[in-house]
Amino acid sequence: AQSVTQPDIHITVSEGASLELRCNYSYGATPYLFWYVQSPGQGLQLLLKYFSGDTLVQGIKGFEAEFKRSQSSFNLRKPSVHWSDAAEYFCAVGDEYSSASKIIFGSGTRLSIRP
Amino acid sequence: NAGVTQTPKFQVLKTGQSMTLQCAQDMNHEYMSWYRQDPGMGLRLIHYSVGAGITDQGEVPNGYNVSRSTTEDFPLRLLSAAPSQTSVYFCASASRVLNQPQHFGDGTRLSIL
Repeated sequence: AQSVTQPDIHITVSEGASLELRCNYSYGATPYLFWYVQSPGQGLQLLLKYFSGDTLVQGIKGFEAEFKRSQSSFNLRKPSVHWSDAAEYFCAVGDEYSSASKIIFGSGTRLSIRP
Repeated sequence: NAGVTQTPKFQVLKTGQSMTLQCAQDMNHEYMSWYRQDPGMGLRLIHYSVGAGITDQGEVPNGYNVSRSTTEDFPLRLLSAAPSQTSVYFCASASRVLNQPQHFGDGTRLSIL
């Protein structure tokens, strides 16, 4: 069955520290992978996406993610977090054979920033 | 740039009542979807549509109906509200052009008493 696992429910990091949010997926076809961010009371905003090519993808707000097929992972990273990065982060997966309507989301990781 | 617009933003219903959550997009997107978001469960797909006149069920369709009479609108109907349907509902749209991500509305927070 297709699934996305975000093993960390809640992470707290100090402002200026580096960040890595984990995402593992189980998908039968070639995966299309996404990271979204959700601020309180808001909808989801796309941070970055991976479809093919270079396995290290750059996104908005200084985020990057690396696709590792051998580990079925797509971890999100940022070298230095800012207080404004506090939000919930969702990893999601789809494939080229399903429409953009059928994306599977992970359960999310809530990021808190320590001053 | 309105994008995806959801109304209402908040709603409280009594068990057994019906209501329609509205979703409209102005980007001429072919694909539209409804999700519900519950604590610790991420977003789960309720129904989706790949074009006007075409809808299909997602992971959790029971208790919900949809229709897609126009490209712009994709309303979600609760026929007889139940407390288990208390959730935050998100509508999303996407272009059918390959590799395009979904655009999300700001959500409707629904409480069923």
